[in-house]
Amino acid sequence: EVQLVESGGGLVQPGGSLRLSCAASGNTFRIYSMNWVRQAPGKGLEWISYISSSATTHYVDSVKGRFTISRDNAKNSLYLQMNSLRAEDTAVYYCARMTISSDAFDIWGQGTMVTVSS
Amino acid sequence: DIQLTQSPSSLSASVGDRVTITCRASQTITTSYLHWYQQKSGKAPKLLIYAASTLQSGVPSRFSGSGSGTDFTLTISSLQPEDFTTYYCQQSYSTQITFGQGTRLEI
Repeated sequence: EVQLVESGGGLVQPGGSLRLSCAASGNTFRIYSMNWVRQAPGKGLEWISYISSSATTHYVDSVKGRFTISRDNAKNSLYLQMNSLRAEDTAVYYCARMTISSDAFDIWGQGTMVTVSS
Repeated sequence: DIQLTQSPSSLSASVGDRVTITCRASQTITTSYLHWYQQKSGKAPKLLIYAASTLQSGVPSRFSGSGSGTDFTLTISSLQPEDFTTYYCQQSYSTQITFGQGTRLEI
C-alpha cells in the first residue's frame, strides 16, 4: 500500500521560510496529482495547493505568491516551499494523493507541524 | 470560490442511532466531485465516500452518501463507538478546492 511521509516542519519566525517534503512509497507517484492541506490548531481542514502529474499548479488565495508547490517524480517526492511566513500559517500540514477518477484525496500523510512565532 | 456549509456543526447522539449530516454548496457541483472524510483527533483525515455516494474500499457499509446539485448528505445507519468524531465534506469540482467547516459527532 502506498504511504506518504511528510517532513520539514518546525518553528520559524514570522517572515521566515520553510520547505516541507512528502515522500511517497511505491512506483506510481508520477501518475497522480498531489495536494497540500493544512489544519490550524483546533480548526478545520484548509486546502492550500495542488499539482498535477504534468506540474500544473493551483493555490488558495491566502498563500499565492508566498508558497510554491513542486514535485520530483524521480525521487517520488512532493514539496512545499513556504516563504514570508505569518502567524496564521501555523498549522499541521498534510500531503494528500488525489484519485484519478473523482479527484478525492484517498491517501494522506501523517502531517507535519509548522509553528510561526517569534 | 464554492463555499460548503455543513449542518449541524455538532451533533449529540447515542450508539445505535441513525444520523445524517448535510453539506450545502454555494453553487451546483457535479456529484463526481463531492466527497466525505472522517477525522479522528490527532490523525489525518480518512476518505469515507467519494463521488457523493461511492463507499471507499474498507469503509463499513453503515456509512452512505447521497445528494446532487447543491445538497448532499452523509448518513451513518447505526452509530458505533468509533464513529464519534469529526466529519468533513469536500468539493474538487472547482480548481479552488474547499472543505466544509466540519461536523463534530458527540456521544
